[in-house]
Amino acid sequence: QLQLQESGPGLVKPSETLSLTCTVSGGSISSSSYYWGWIRQPPGKGLEWIGSIYYSGSTYYNPSLKSRVTISVDTSKNQFFLNLSSVTAADTAVYYCARFRIVGMHFDPWGQGTLVTVSS
Amino acid sequence: QSALTQPPSASGSPGQSVTISCTGTSSDVGGYNYVSWYQYHPGKAPKVMIYEVSKRPSGVPDRFSGSKSGNTASLTVSGLQAEDEADYYCSSYAGSNNPYVFGTGTKVTVL
Repeated sequence: QLQLQESGPGLVKPSETLSLTCTVSGGSISSSSYYWGWIRQPPGKGLEWIGSIYYSGSTYYNPSLKSRVTISVDTSKNQFFLNLSSVTAADTAVYYCARFRIVGMHFDPWGQGTLVTVSS
Repeated sequence: QSALTQPPSASGSPGQSVTISCTGTSSDVGGYNYVSWYQYHPGKAPKVMIYEVSKRPSGVPDRFSGSKSGNTASLTVSGLQAEDEADYYCSSYAGSNNPYVFGTGTKVTVL
């Protein structure tokens, strides 16, 4: 059974870069059937798609975040990564990683999520 | 790209049905048959309940059904059970410039 696990600092200072890792287990990140994505949920608010990456490195980003987001992949470690630069308090959120099924265009499964707080 | 519009809340008694709407535009919901619905229990990972407007992943009860008319998609939960109390989010493919957009979310309460 495929599982995803987010990891990274729970506290980031304003203006710094938020960096998270998603480790995939129980399956290969190099499958041609999937993209791999990041989604976030600020406290009390809804879900926001951040971006997605294919195992080859091809990426799609949310236009509202594109100038600050970089998503990368390391197939040898079965991991993909999120970097979000110049963070502010508005970037405080639970960050989820998830597998994106190209057939059907939906995220399944998701990781448990990790809370990242932006504060000095 | 704006979030898809959902009602903030919906409720029903056990055994009843509840329907949640998800309104977008011709650039997302109306333009593609790629509407998905996710169930979210706080503290847990979101779970897909419906994809491609009306398809259910294996393991999702047939009490959950989806449909679409024009720019509005709907999720119906029939025979409400206590464990259906959760937040529900719709989503849609929205084209290559901003491929994925979520709804504002609806809290379903089982009375």
